[in-house]
Amino acid sequence: ETGVTQTPRHLVMGMTNKKSLKCEQHLGHNAMYWYKQSAKKPLELMFVYNFKEQTENNSVPSRFSPECPNSSHLFLHLHTLQPEDSALYLCASSQIGSGSSYNEQFFGPGTRLTVL
Amino acid sequence: AQTVTQSQPEMSVQEAETVTLSCTYDTSESDYYLFWYKQPPSRQMILVIRQEAYKQQNATENRFSVNFQKAAKSFSLKISDSQLGDAAMYFCAYSRNAGGTSYGKLTFGQGTILTVHP
Repeated sequence: ETGVTQTPRHLVMGMTNKKSLKCEQHLGHNAMYWYKQSAKKPLELMFVYNFKEQTENNSVPSRFSPECPNSSHLFLHLHTLQPEDSALYLCASSQIGSGSSYNEQFFGPGTRLTVL
Repeated sequence: AQTVTQSQPEMSVQEAETVTLSCTYDTSESDYYLFWYKQPPSRQMILVIRQEAYKQQNATENRFSVNFQKAAKSFSLKISDSQLGDAAMYFCAYSRNAGGTSYGKLTFGQGTILTVHP
């Protein structure tokens, strides 16, 4: 596997279900991100992890719970979601810090989430 | 707060022709980066081109080039000799200089859907 991978690619869940999205990066990066992409809206940054520490929570409802066990893996745990949470969820990674000032983010293919 | 605006929700171009996508941004920073990302129908977002704000020379990557006007806070993307594979959603994005302890947050515009006609 290369780059940034995400599983599952598609997920349909009821409002009372609990599910998790997984992201893995094979690029040796030290920062990982979750974005939400809804129709006709800009990408919304949800969470940022830098060296496994959460550095930003962009006012995301508590029904979304991120987990970053190491610098290569990022999870998004979902519970009691609402239909308006249906969207494409994108994971990205980048290398930040000294010697890497571009902040080029590499994206995964996304998980298409539908909440019934 | 930084904002990025793409005023063209949709654009179209004939194959082999040239098209320009517009982007404006607002920031009080002097050191930052600008990016154009492409998201084809398969959904994998990829970087097309980037520009460092301190560089006056416009970035170029093969058929893709930018017109960076720092004073006007404008950052347009020109695609020359358009190909069918260029059809995608294009996002303009802004980032502060990510050196040091900054985590390099990206702020995206709303996106422009580009259609390429054969």
